[in-house]
Amino acid sequence: EDKVVQSPLSLVVHEGDTVTLNCSCEVTNFRSLLWYKQEKKAPTFLFMLTSSGIEKKSGRLSSILDKKELFSILNITATQTGDSAIYLCAVLTSYGKLTFGQGTILTVHP
Amino acid sequence: DAGVIQSPRHEVTEMGQEVTLRCKPISGHNSLFWYRQTMMRGLELLIYFNNNVPIDDSGMPEDRFSAKMPNASFSTLKIQPSEPRDSAVYFCASSLNPGGLFFGEGSRLTVL
Repeated sequence: EDKVVQSPLSLVVHEGDTVTLNCSCEVTNFRSLLWYKQEKKAPTFLFMLTSSGIEKKSGRLSSILDKKELFSILNITATQTGDSAIYLCAVLTSYGKLTFGQGTILTVHP
Repeated sequence: DAGVIQSPRHEVTEMGQEVTLRCKPISGHNSLFWYRQTMMRGLELLIYFNNNVPIDDSGMPEDRFSAKMPNASFSTLKIQPSEPRDSAVYFCASSLNPGGLFFGEGSRLTVL
């Protein structure tokens, strides 16, 4: 059974802090790892990582994958209150199956 | 672009009733997923389709749950009979495999 484990499960920081969220997977036929942000409604797509060691960046968010260890981190620098959300990691297999982790609840205080 | 469209957005029903949730994926996407989200269990994959064919339904909790995709633009998730423990937000999502997943806004189900 495919397994995705995220840590920490929750995190409380102040504006301006930098946070690192972790994701590790146990899966056969790994294809890609994806990160999503979920606020009040549905998850929205952030990054898709397929190759090892190549950083994907979008503004203050960045992510990188270690394909050998099936481990990824999501970094958020200079956090803002608007970054408060659940961050979900998911693994995509070559069969097209996407399995999510439990998520990390990030709370950014002003 | 309309995005993934789900209906109803909210459903409140009594135990034992049949519930049907509907989903229209993004046009051109070839994969469709049904997820259930609760506080306790997070986001769980129930079933997914590739080119309208069910690929993996191992996440469907039990025989009370069934899903169909009669064509590329429509899918249903049915619960019969419903039970209080089925209360959750049910998400439909689509993708152009192997691309990222795009979610609908979810159907919040409450079974009394």
